[in-house]
This record gives sequence, C-alpha cells and structure tokens, in this order.
Amino acid sequence: QVELVESGGGVVQPGRSLRLSCAASGFTFNIYDMHWVRQAPGKGLEWVAVISNDGSNKNFADSVKGRFTISRDNSKNTVYLQMNSLRAEDTALYYCAKSYTGSYDAFDYWGQGTLVTVSS
Amino acid sequence: DIVMTQSPDSLAVSLGERATINCKSSQSVLYSSNNKNYLAWYQQRPGQSPKLLIYWASLRKSGVPDRFSGSGSGTDFTLTISSLQAEDVAVYYCQQYFSGLSYTFGQGTKLEI
Repeated sequence: QVELVESGGGVVQPGRSLRLSCAASGFTFNIYDMHWVRQAPGKGLEWVAVISNDGSNKNFADSVKGRFTISRDNSKNTVYLQMNSLRAEDTALYYCAKSYTGSYDAFDYWGQGTLVTVSS
Repeated sequence: DIVMTQSPDSLAVSLGERATINCKSSQSVLYSSNNKNYLAWYQQRPGQSPKLLIYWASLRKSGVPDRFSGSGSGTDFTLTISSLQAEDVAVYYCQQYFSGLSYTFGQGTKLEI
C-alpha cells in the first residue's frame, strides 16, 4: 500500500533553516509529481511546492518563493523541502502528497505530516 | 493565482439529511481541449490528514461512498453528501489543479451534525 512518511520537523529560530524529508513506498515513485502542502495551526490547507517526476520542473507558492527549494532522489524514493530564512508564519504541519496519475492532477495520498515551529 | 472561495464556512446538518458545499473559482478551471474541470474535493476529519474524495469535479475516488457526489463546471462547483453519516463530520476543501504553477485550495467548510 502507498505510504508517505514525513520527517525533519522541529522548533527553529526565525531566519534559520530546516530540511524536511518525505519517504515514499508502495508505488513507482519516479512516475509521479510530488507536492508539499502545509497547514498552520487551526487553519486551512496551503499548497507549498511541486516537483515533477524527474525533478526537472519545480513550482512554488508565492509565499515561499526564493526561500524554499524542493528536490527529490528517485533512487531513495524520497522528496525533500529545504526551508531557508524561516519566518513565524511558516509555522505549520507540513504534508507531502502524491499526484494522482502523474502531473496536473489531484493529490491521492497524503502523509501524516511533520510539524515545523518557528519561534525564538 | 486562481482564488477558490467556498460557501458556507460552516454547516450543520442532521443525520440522514443532505449537505451541500459550494466552491467558486476566480477563473474557469475547465480545459477546453479535453473538456475536463481541474477541480478536486478533499475531506479532512479531525486530527487526520486530508483524503481525496472527488477529482475531475465529479469522479469519485475508488472506495469513497456513493453518497458523496461532485458537480459543476467552469467556475462553480458543488459537493453533495446525500445522506449525512456521523463519520462525515470533517472539514471539506475544494482545490484547483488547472494552473500547473499553483494548486490553490478553498478556505474549507466545516461540516457538523
């Protein structure tokens, strides 16, 4: 069965960096685009970033553009989110999610999330 | 960016009754070349991750009960739960995936009994 397991969250000071990982299993990882979505405490869902199946195309929400990068290692079935210059407003539960059929599609599986808290 | 607006923000429905949630996009999410609406609905139960219910505006994901249905086209969409069950208490989100540059969600609708 499909499983997505996020890790790397924690408490970090404003201006510092953090790298999240999402380990995938149960499907052919290198076929699918992968996404990061976040949810601030008590708030709704905010899409953060997408990376294409081969890593050649990436897009970001305006709120993180220039500060966050996304990458993947298809040999390890893992997608990463590098978060730099963190701000208090980046505090959220970060989910990774799998594209349903490849690209330009809904998200059919989500991980349980990893919590990032930006605080001094 | 395409802005997604849901209504209402919250909704209380009796068990066995119909629940209707609306979603409006700031521009059409209908791709004319394939006649598909790039619109999905998700359910997020308390303390859980979101789950895909509906994609292409009206197709149910395998395993989703048939009391859930999606309709609409262009800019106006609806999620209907035909007969509310206790396990349907959740927040529901619509999402557009028309723009490959961003995948925006609605603000969510909280459904209660």
